[in-house]
Amino acid sequence: GENVEQHPSTLSVQEGDSAVIKCTYSDSASNYFPWYKQELGKGPQLIIDIRSNVGEKKDQRIAVTLNKTAKHFSLHITETQPEDSAVYFCAAPGRYNFNKFYFGSGTKLNVKP
Amino acid sequence: DTGVSQDPRHKITKRGQNVTFRCDPISEHNRLYWYRQTLGQGPEFLTYFQNEAQLEKSRLLSDRFSAERPKGSFSTLEIQRTEQGDSAMYLCASSLRIRTSASSYNEQFFGPGTRLTVL
Repeated sequence: GENVEQHPSTLSVQEGDSAVIKCTYSDSASNYFPWYKQELGKGPQLIIDIRSNVGEKKDQRIAVTLNKTAKHFSLHITETQPEDSAVYFCAAPGRYNFNKFYFGSGTKLNVKP
Repeated sequence: DTGVSQDPRHKITKRGQNVTFRCDPISEHNRLYWYRQTLGQGPEFLTYFQNEAQLEKSRLLSDRFSAERPKGSFSTLEIQRTEQGDSAMYLCASSLRIRTSASSYNEQFFGPGTRLTVL
């Protein structure tokens, strides 16, 4: 947590292609890493998360990988569809308070049909 | 709908007025959070409650802001003497604390937010 950086800020892909969004965090004590999808005018929706004791987690077309040594984690979306278009946020908890999430600045994903 | 709900969804007010927002968490969740989100940014933590106790407040939460969760269920966030810089989306989230033998973590579920515009 504490300092969470997210890249890229915008990502445009063709329908059917894969999309990858990366985040780095500064606090080595962080142990939980969620990803949220936010559509226009709506609140963030939790789409997948990963605990620090595993390196990868998959749920249908989405997956998250975690590299604790390098302190980065990534969201992978395969076979993208137009309805995947949204802003995606990563987050990590703080060292002194695991309830306090620090969010990345977001990635606007545009899937072109 | 058993998700987090917030009311109102939109609020337009004049500078200097007071506003109050309400959040109803998922019913069995004991933790409730308030975040603020400005355009093009990720949510920023403001404060959180465990049951009715307010356990942490961010430095972003000036003296003009106050939050309550009187019975450990719904929560209110009040902003007094609003300023134009208060214009933002105010998000509420809730969670049920999960503790395993290895660690303690929680999944936070967000409501739709209240968009505040201060003229």
